[in-house]
Amino acid sequence: AQKITQTQPGMFVQEKEAVTLDCTYDTSDPSYGLFWYKQPSSGEMIFLIYQGSYDQQNATEGRYSLNFQKARKSANLVISASQLGDSAMYFCAMRRSSGGYNKLIFGAGTRLAVHP
Amino acid sequence: GAGVSQTPSNKVTEKGKYVELRCDPISGHTALYWYRQSLGQGPEFLIYFQGTGAADDSGLPNDRFFAVRPEGSVSTLKIQRTERGDSAVYLCASRPTSGTLNTGELFFGEGSRLTVL
Repeated sequence: AQKITQTQPGMFVQEKEAVTLDCTYDTSDPSYGLFWYKQPSSGEMIFLIYQGSYDQQNATEGRYSLNFQKARKSANLVISASQLGDSAMYFCAMRRSSGGYNKLIFGAGTRLAVHP
Repeated sequence: GAGVSQTPSNKVTEKGKYVELRCDPISGHTALYWYRQSLGQGPEFLIYFQGTGAADDSGLPNDRFFAVRPEGSVSTLKIQRTERGDSAVYLCASRPTSGTLNTGELFFGEGSRLTVL
């Protein structure tokens, strides 16, 4: 069975500092994709970054980078230079590439608070 | 608008009543998903449509839940005989099934918050 685990219910970070949000996953599929979404208080899920299981390099998108360690089955999100607007819930998700469609399985989320 | 639109944004109903939640996906997106997000949890998959047909409804919790997408665009999630445990935010998402953006990311609406009293 596929599973996403986010062990940090809440995290605090000082503005302009970097923060790492943890995510581990469990799957027996050889091909899969990993996502991070941000959910502000408005409720909308905002896509941040994607990592394919066969990608050789860690994904980066602006201030977001994904620390992908395949052997450890971890896909931690690193946010550099935190901003007050980064305060939100963050969800790690996994997609299995077999089966022909992209059903995402989500973790329980981490609430990030950025302090001035 | 250009995003996924969900109505109503908030719905309060009484136990036992019937509820419909509507999702208008991004124009041209053929794939549509419904998720349910309970307080303090991540979204849980309910059902997936490819075009007009439900390709995977394995996440629907029981037969009180049903969803349709008759013309391959707008979808309606229907909940019969609502129970207090149905209270949650119901999220709709869509994505194109072809094109250069093929990471498979889903585009979500802001959700419909359902409260069953």
